[in-house]
Amino acid sequence: GEDVEQSLFLSVREGDSSVINCTYTDSSSTYLYWYKQEPGAGLQLLTYIFSNMDMKQDQRLTVLLNKKDKHLSLRIADTQTGDSAIYFCAESKNNNDMRFGAGTRLTVKP
Amino acid sequence: DSGVTQTPKHLITATGQRVTLRCSPRSGDLSVYWYQQSLDQGLQFLIQYYNGEERAKGNILERFSAQQFPDLHSELNLSSLELGDSALYFCASSVAGNSGNTIYFGEGSWLTVV
Repeated sequence: GEDVEQSLFLSVREGDSSVINCTYTDSSSTYLYWYKQEPGAGLQLLTYIFSNMDMKQDQRLTVLLNKKDKHLSLRIADTQTGDSAIYFCAESKNNNDMRFGAGTRLTVKP
Repeated sequence: DSGVTQTPKHLITATGQRVTLRCSPRSGDLSVYWYQQSLDQGLQFLIQYYNGEERAKGNILERFSAQQFPDLHSELNLSSLELGDSALYFCASSVAGNSGNTIYFGEGSWLTVV
């Protein structure tokens, strides 16, 4: 089947930038998402990007998409301790069947 | 708060039993999705309903079933429960069933099978 892969862990210092990477295999993916899951909580949609876009910026978040390499990244500027969570990359063609990565656990050290 | 409400938040039950998880979508959303999050399988899409009709089916076991009612709330029924069914079950909703409408997730229902 089609896969979405992410590294499992990332640790950064408070104030630094975090970059979480994701690769996917389905070249027909139309929508790519980043979700955040805090301990004991549900999935919170952070941002999404259409496959015909290269970049999307929303305050401290920057999403970069390299469609040729099927590589998606999420950059969090000025990372804070409150950003510590698991970040999921997901892709879909039409929302009917989103495929998620295993999640990257971001730890922000003071 | 995503606006998607799930009950119960936590549930402990024995093997062989049957449980029902309930979901109320965001106001105005017609589409409801169910996902299972477990340690070994990660996040998996189970099933989607749109305006009362099944729209898409993912990795949903035959022991599991779902429905969406006229008021658009949905229920996920899990029967003949096994230890491996212990997981966090998410409901999500969106305005429509496709075209990239943003999907919003509830906080999940924790199911523990003992």
